Amino acid sequence: TQLLEQSPQFLSIQEGENLTVYCNSSSVFSSLQWYRQEPGEGPVLLVTVVTGGEVKKLKRLTFQFGDARKDSSLHITAAQPGDTGLYLCAGGGGTGRRALTFGSGTRLQVQP
Amino acid sequence: GAGVSQSPSNKVTEKGKDVELRCDPISGHTALYWYRQSLGQGLEFLIYFQGNSAPDKSGLPSDRFSAERTGGSVSTLTIQRTQQEDSAVYLCASSITGVGTEAFFGQGTRLTVV
Repeated sequence: TQLLEQSPQFLSIQEGENLTVYCNSSSVFSSLQWYRQEPGEGPVLLVTVVTGGEVKKLKRLTFQFGDARKDSSLHITAAQPGDTGLYLCAGGGGTGRRALTFGSGTRLQVQP
Repeated sequence: GAGVSQSPSNKVTEKGKDVELRCDPISGHTALYWYRQSLGQGLEFLIYFQGNSAPDKSGLPSDRFSAERTGGSVSTLTIQRTQQEDSAVYLCASSITGVGTEAFFGQGTRLTVV
């Protein structure tokens, strides 16, 4: 069974602080996605990375796909209360699995 | 609407009863996923449909769970003889061609088994 582990599970920080969320697996994926979910809603895609070592920036968010395509990180600079939510990584095209496999999630709370 | 639609949005059922959850994907999307999410947790994969290929049912937790997708569009997830541990939010998503493309999620069906 493929497993995507995220850390930390929960993070509470003050507005303006930086943070990094990690997503790790023992499996290789052809693509890695990050989603954000707010209460009562379905997850919404933030980014897709497909190349080992790839780095993508989305305003204050920086996403990196590991060289071996087994891990990824999400870094937020100068967090804002609007960044609060559940962050989920999802791996696609892994060995023996055609569907999208989601990580355990990181719940971020940014205090004003 | 243009998004993924799920119904009902909330369902309360008695233990032992059967339930059906419906998902209307975005028109033209060939891939459809069902996931289950317990409060504040990650998404547990249930089943994946891709075009005319045999579905990936490897995530279904027991034989009480089944799903079908008719005409490559609407999907129904059926849970027979519901148990309290089946209580969760059931999320459906669709994407244009499958993994690597954006998955668009519905708002989910909150199932409560009492």
